Amino acid sequence: DAMVIQNPRYQVTQFGKPVTLSCSQTLNHNVMYWYQQKSSQAPKLLFHYYDKDFNNEADTPDNFQSRRPNTSFCFLDIRSPGLGDAAMYLCATSSVSLPYNEQFFGPGTRLTVL
Amino acid sequence: AQTVTQSQPEMSVQEAETVTLSCTYDTSENNYYLFWYKQPPSRQMILVIRQEAYKQQNATENRFSVNFQKAAKSFSLKISDSQLGDTAMYFCAFTPLIQGAQKLVFGQGTRLTINP
Repeated sequence: DAMVIQNPRYQVTQFGKPVTLSCSQTLNHNVMYWYQQKSSQAPKLLFHYYDKDFNNEADTPDNFQSRRPNTSFCFLDIRSPGLGDAAMYLCATSSVSLPYNEQFFGPGTRLTVL
Repeated sequence: AQTVTQSQPEMSVQEAETVTLSCTYDTSENNYYLFWYKQPPSRQMILVIRQEAYKQQNATENRFSVNFQKAAKSFSLKISDSQLGDTAMYFCAFTPLIQGAQKLVFGQGTRLTINP
């Protein structure tokens, strides 16, 4: 089945130690998004790629970076994780050619910072 | 700036009952989409139902329907004949009708529990 896959599902890192979260998709969608969702809160958009064009949200900290080497893969890099970065990170995709430009979500990666 | 407000942090009903989740939003846009997403425990978020602002008719998907009041900026979700599998976090979301990427603005969510 076509889907959005996130690896790993659970990630533990140490304060200040760089970490990379991975997202892949088999939907061939041209837009990929990264959201941060803290406990019992709404998902918050960090940035998105429209094809190769990177779009950062104004309030996304510089500590968060992203890479999209090809259509299928997108990575979230946290350069120096702090305790406040512990959260669920959701990846989503959409296609501008589909009705409503609906977003399809992955299962998320839960990041713990020790 | 657009905002979405869900005033019910938690709700609980018995199986087979009908439940309505509230959502209000604020925007100066005239054309936009509204969505309800479901996030079951430890599972991925999925779209439940969508509504185009330019359509007066309320959207319906099987047991799920919405009451869209554009003037009041209200968008409630009704779940009929609720099932145990409906237990989840429900998010109301808004996006303006634009070309390109769909930037969703989510409400804070309502945790819905269906009891046997």
